[in-house]
Amino acid sequence: QSVLTQPPSASGTPGQTVTISCSGSISNIGNNFVHWHQQLPGTAPKLLIYRNHQWPSGVPDRFSGSKSGTSASLAISGLRSEDEADYYCAAWDDTLRGWVFGGGTKLTVL
Amino acid sequence: QLQLQESGPGLVKPSETLSLTCAVSGDSISSSSNYWVWIRQPPGKGLEWIGSIYHTGSTYYNPSLKGRLSMSVDTSKNQFSLRLSSVTAADTAVYSCARHGYPVRVGFFDFWGQGILVTVSS
Repeated sequence: QSVLTQPPSASGTPGQTVTISCSGSISNIGNNFVHWHQQLPGTAPKLLIYRNHQWPSGVPDRFSGSKSGTSASLAISGLRSEDEADYYCAAWDDTLRGWVFGGGTKLTVL
Repeated sequence: QLQLQESGPGLVKPSETLSLTCAVSGDSISSSSNYWVWIRQPPGKGLEWIGSIYHTGSTYYNPSLKGRLSMSVDTSKNQFSLRLSSVTAADTAVYSCARHGYPVRVGFFDFWGQGILVTVSS
């Protein structure tokens, strides 16, 4: 049972926009930044979005993040087959004094 | 270019201690800007943060692992280590080292190692 809640799966067709949600509480998302990671099959996770909505160098702006209250979202526009991966949200938790992750969302491009 | 390379036994017996090391190249582990981190992922499951260590030896540990977990840094070798005692099959996972910024509340995991599969089995 993950502290942050994500849907286990999401899907879309090429060109569509898909949104993945991440729900937490005041002690994590409510009071701290949310970060998103992409894990392509068989590879290490890669930072996709940091501090709610900022892009690391090299990440296309088709990926965007937002946060409101104790929830956050990752939107992927112009969906491509290479976006098929697992996506994880993460945040610092003030009560646990540690990092918490969402359970991950497996994105399928139909 | 930052590189993180995990090393250690791929097989550990139940009740024994799992020990892993992460060699850092391309950055100084003594940097005041970063924490050094262990994260694990059981086969087919999600990510679990294990713990973070600063170059001073200051640590944050996952409360669910406290009591079994110990992390250390070796600044002379530019590496950091993990020891997890009394392991069970539930500790079978890919263990990855990573980096996040200081202080923790504004940091994020900006770089990950490839990970090493550790299986707990007799």
